[in-house]
Amino acid sequence: DGGITQSPKYLFRKEGQNVTLSCEQNLNHDAMYWYRQDPGQGLRLIYYSQIVNDFQKGDIAEGYSVSREKKESFPLTVTSAQKNPTAFYLCASSSWTEERGYGYTFGSGTRLTVV
Amino acid sequence: QQPVQSPQAVILREGEDAVINCSSSKALYSVHWYRQKHGEAPVFLMILLKGGEQKGHEKISASFNEKKQQSSLYLTASQLSYSGTYFCGTERKAAGNKLTFGGGTRVLVKP
Repeated sequence: DGGITQSPKYLFRKEGQNVTLSCEQNLNHDAMYWYRQDPGQGLRLIYYSQIVNDFQKGDIAEGYSVSREKKESFPLTVTSAQKNPTAFYLCASSSWTEERGYGYTFGSGTRLTVV
Repeated sequence: QQPVQSPQAVILREGEDAVINCSSSKALYSVHWYRQKHGEAPVFLMILLKGGEQKGHEKISASFNEKKQQSSLYLTASQLSYSGTYFCGTERKAAGNKLTFGGGTRVLVKP
């Protein structure tokens, strides 16, 4: 079955460290996205990519970096410059279908905690 | 700019109805609706496109008023499985398919 795989599910980071969150999809979707969710709040866009080797900043890109070297992969690096990285990170992908339009498919998320 | 959802929370008895609203101050191309269970990823419910086309869920309906930039999600004859947090995601015209999400509406359906 096609889907999006995020790993790890839980991640602990020491202050000053960079960490990379993995996101892989086998849906053959063109676009991929990273969102951050804080407790009791909505989703805020970090970065998105519509094609390979191209990506754009979202609303809260500071302290994060991404790459899109392959269509199926869109890793997110949380750098030491991100002052408050503890959050739930969601990866999503989409492509147009007759059934869903550009409806997103989300991964199961990575919960990052700074210790 | 983030769309505004209302109410923030609603408690229902099984079989009751509820309406969740989503308003934007910007012109919209489409509105998406998602449901998230606690600790899980959001799940796509439906998309409403400019011009009235609707795609997605069979049992939950929604509307999109393009002039007012508002969408409403209708939970009819609610079931226990409808519990969760509902998010609207708005796509602005020529914004490249990226969604801006509202703050969410927590729905609890009790037996």
